[in-house]
Amino acid sequence: ETGVTQSPTHLIKTRGQQVTLRCSSQSGHNTVSWYQQALGQGPQFIFQYYREEENGRGNFPPRFSGLQFPNYSSELNVNALELDDSALYLCASSLDQTQYFGPGTRLLVL
Amino acid sequence: AQSVTQPDIHITVSEGASLELRCNYSYGATPYLFWYVQSPGQGLQLLLKYFSGDTLVQGIKGFEAEFKRSQSSFNLRKPSVHWSDAAEYFCAVVPTGGGNKLTFGTGTQLKVEL
Repeated sequence: ETGVTQSPTHLIKTRGQQVTLRCSSQSGHNTVSWYQQALGQGPQFIFQYYREEENGRGNFPPRFSGLQFPNYSSELNVNALELDDSALYLCASSLDQTQYFGPGTRLLVL
Repeated sequence: AQSVTQPDIHITVSEGASLELRCNYSYGATPYLFWYVQSPGQGLQLLLKYFSGDTLVQGIKGFEAEFKRSQSSFNLRKPSVHWSDAAEYFCAVVPTGGGNKLTFGTGTQLKVEL
C-alpha cells in the first residue's frame, strides 16, 4: 500500500509568483487536508477537501486555494507569494479521524 | 478558548532513561487525541491515538500514552529511550463531532545524550 506522496520536495520562488503543490492520498482515503508549518512551529491547518468539495478552512487568505480530483489527489495553489509563505507544506489523507501525512514540500520565497 | 499545550519546549534525556512528554488540552468535550513524531526536515509520523475506551494506549516504536480526563492530559511515555528517538514530538487533537481539523501543540524537541 502506497502512503501519502507529495511533489515537489523543494521549491524556490520569488515574491509575487504563484505556486502549485501536489499530493497523492493514501489508497482508499477520500479526505485530504493541507497544513503549513513555519520553522520552529507546529503545523497550521489551511483547508480540507472531502470528495472534491472544500470541507473546512483555517485562518488563511483567499490566495491559498485548492482542488481535489476524482482520484482524491489534491493540489494547493498559492498566488501572490509573500516572504512569510516560506514554510513546509504538509498534506495528510484520511478515511476517518486519523490523518496520515506525506513528507512535505519545502517552499522558499525570496 | 480551545487549545493544546505542550509545556516543555526542549527535553534532554540519556539513552536508556525513561521519557515522559506532557500534553494538556482545553476543550468542552474530550477530543480525539494524537501524538505525532517529526524527524528533521521530514513529515509527521503517527505514533498513537486515543478515541475512547482503555485510557492507556500503545503505539509504535515502544511508545505509550495515558489519557487522564480529570487532568485533561494525554502524556506520552517510553520506558527506555534510544538515540534514534531524538526528534520533535507533537500532540494534536480533533474535536469530537467537529470535522477533521487537527490542532497541534507547539511541539517538544527531544535530545538524547549517549
